[in-house]
Amino acid sequence: TQLLEQSPQFLSIQEGENLTVYCNSSSVFSSLQWYRQEPGEGPVLLVTVVTGGEVKKLKRLTFQFGDARKDSSLHITAAQPGDTGLYLCARLDYKLSFGAGTTVTVRA
Amino acid sequence: GAVVSQHPSRVICKSGTSVKIECRSLDFQATTMFWYRQFPKQSLMLMATSNEGSKATYEQGVEKDKFLINHASLTLSTLTVTSAHPEDSSFYICSALQRQGVYGYTFGSGTRLTVV
Repeated sequence: TQLLEQSPQFLSIQEGENLTVYCNSSSVFSSLQWYRQEPGEGPVLLVTVVTGGEVKKLKRLTFQFGDARKDSSLHITAAQPGDTGLYLCARLDYKLSFGAGTTVTVRA
Repeated sequence: GAVVSQHPSRVICKSGTSVKIECRSLDFQATTMFWYRQFPKQSLMLMATSNEGSKATYEQGVEKDKFLINHASLTLSTLTVTSAHPEDSSFYICSALQRQGVYGYTFGSGTRLTVV
């Protein structure tokens, strides 16, 4: 059973468009991580958010952590084909618990 | 940065045989490693937690006699899929925990297992 809900499950957009992926939980996160995974590879850490209301930017990626620490979002500006992949949020405790993931496809 | 090496990257085996997958932390010691399983277009599902020098802890529904985990050193954990069947075909990924204040997880590149 996934404790984290991610939406949408699939997202296909044209190069240059913006996109947002959401991650929600019914319980408070102590901290949360976002990963990106390409086919046939392991996940790669993008960011860790710890503080409620926190906003972090990584080039064209903006990560927000909700004030109540129950939700988070990943926004990509001017998406590029290289942004294609599976985006995963994960609850960070002793063990990582992953959301269901959002498959993002950016068409050239 | 921390690197985790996972081998083999791909393996095809016959039904009924066993397959061993290795996960090594190359530049740090990992007292704890985790094994995940991932089906196509799905998320990672934790199978077990591997602790150096002690028995692995398996998640509910994971058969410990089928998925043997050994963590004999601080840099190596192995997952052996015993008596493999086609339904065991999947993508297996390990991660190593590196404690540096906030928990830091480093993932291997995964192993694609196909049982024919």
